[in-house]
This record gives sequence, C-alpha cells and structure tokens, in this order.
Amino acid sequence: DSGVTQTPKHLITATGQRVTLRCSPRSGDLSVYWYQQSLDQGLQFLIQYYNGEERAKGNILERFSAQQFPDLHSELNLSSLELGDSALYFCASSVGGPQQETQYFGPGTRLLVL
Amino acid sequence: AQSVTQLDSHVSVSEGTPVLLRCNYSSSYSPSLFWYVQHPNKGLQLLLKYTSAATLVKGINGFEAEFKKSETSFHLTKPSAHMSDAAEYFCVVSEWEAGTALIFGKGTTLSVSS
Repeated sequence: DSGVTQTPKHLITATGQRVTLRCSPRSGDLSVYWYQQSLDQGLQFLIQYYNGEERAKGNILERFSAQQFPDLHSELNLSSLELGDSALYFCASSVGGPQQETQYFGPGTRLLVL
Repeated sequence: AQSVTQLDSHVSVSEGTPVLLRCNYSSSYSPSLFWYVQHPNKGLQLLLKYTSAATLVKGINGFEAEFKKSETSFHLTKPSAHMSDAAEYFCVVSEWEAGTALIFGKGTTLSVSS
C-alpha cells in the first residue's frame, strides 16, 4: 500500500458526459501527479501540482482539467468524454516539486466510456 | 528531447533463472532513471532509481540496474526469478534540469514459469 488513495476504483459513463476523479496524496507529500494509461498510448504524464499550484503540464487535453485543494487532495475533471478517453488514470504523489523524486502511485481509477 | 526504449515487449523466464529487461534512453541532460513495476490490477511501485550517484543501483526484491552512459542503457537484472516477479516493468527517464516530466517506456511483460 503506497499511501495514495484514489476514488472511485471504477467508473462507467457515456460519451459527452463529465466525471471527476479524486486523489489523496500520502501524508506530508506536497506534489500530486496525474497519469493516463491506455493500450495504444501507454503511460502518459498529464499534469503536476505542487502545494496547490500547477507545476508541470504534459499531454493533457483541453477537455481535461485538474486542481489541488488546500488540504492537498487533487481532482481531475474530464469533460465531453469520448470513447478514446477510456483508460486507467493514476495519481501519484511525492514530497517535493522536483520530478526526480520518488513518486508513489495510487491504485488507479479505471474509466470506461460507452 | 528525452525518450526511452524498452527493447523487449515480452520476456519469458523459468523460475530460478536470471532476468534481464533491457532499456535504452536518450537525453540531452543528466537524466534520472527509474524502473517501476506494475502487478495486474495494481498501481505502479518503484523498484529502483538512478540520480547520478553510483552507477550500479540496487532496488527492492533483489533487482538491480546499471547505468551505462556510453551505451545509454539502464538494463534491469535479477539473478534468480521468482514466480511473484511476473508483472509489467516500466523504464522511466526524467530530465529534471529541463523541467520535463517523467517519460515512460512502453513496458516489458515478464512471465515466469515453474
């Protein structure tokens, strides 16, 4: 158990809908990262937040957004969902900002868009 | 630009025999390199990381990796495979000096037979 929690574990929704994925980092970690894992694209970094501020951006679509709250939990919002958004979404956390630090991954949220 | 190539998509070994998972990287800076493991339906777990200290890095569960700058390689090895090692393994590069995110390889599936 990494100490990173993600909810929900599974999510089934329809195209065009909007969903919110939630992540709670390990106690004391200030950075939260979001990743998407799909069969065709593999594991891709989406976005990083550090202590409430956006720190780095990866291959995140404009339909997707994220935020980190004062209690350091983070939410990833996916809107206007398409079939291709079906994937496993991971959250990870680390103590500080630099990306060479060890990241601890949550169990993931599996999203299925029908 | 940084990139990482895992040379084998699937490796099969017998229990008790050595494991070699190959990874080559491309980086313009001094990279940080990681190996992560993902067991079925689980999140990712850090096996080991290289951040410009010793070139031979020891990780958890008997795994180790050697950073070879001249060959731009970071191969993962284990002297004796165990059934519980069966999983997906990801080689990851980070150019923190460039402020870029973690870049994941496509993954290598390790199968271990008895």
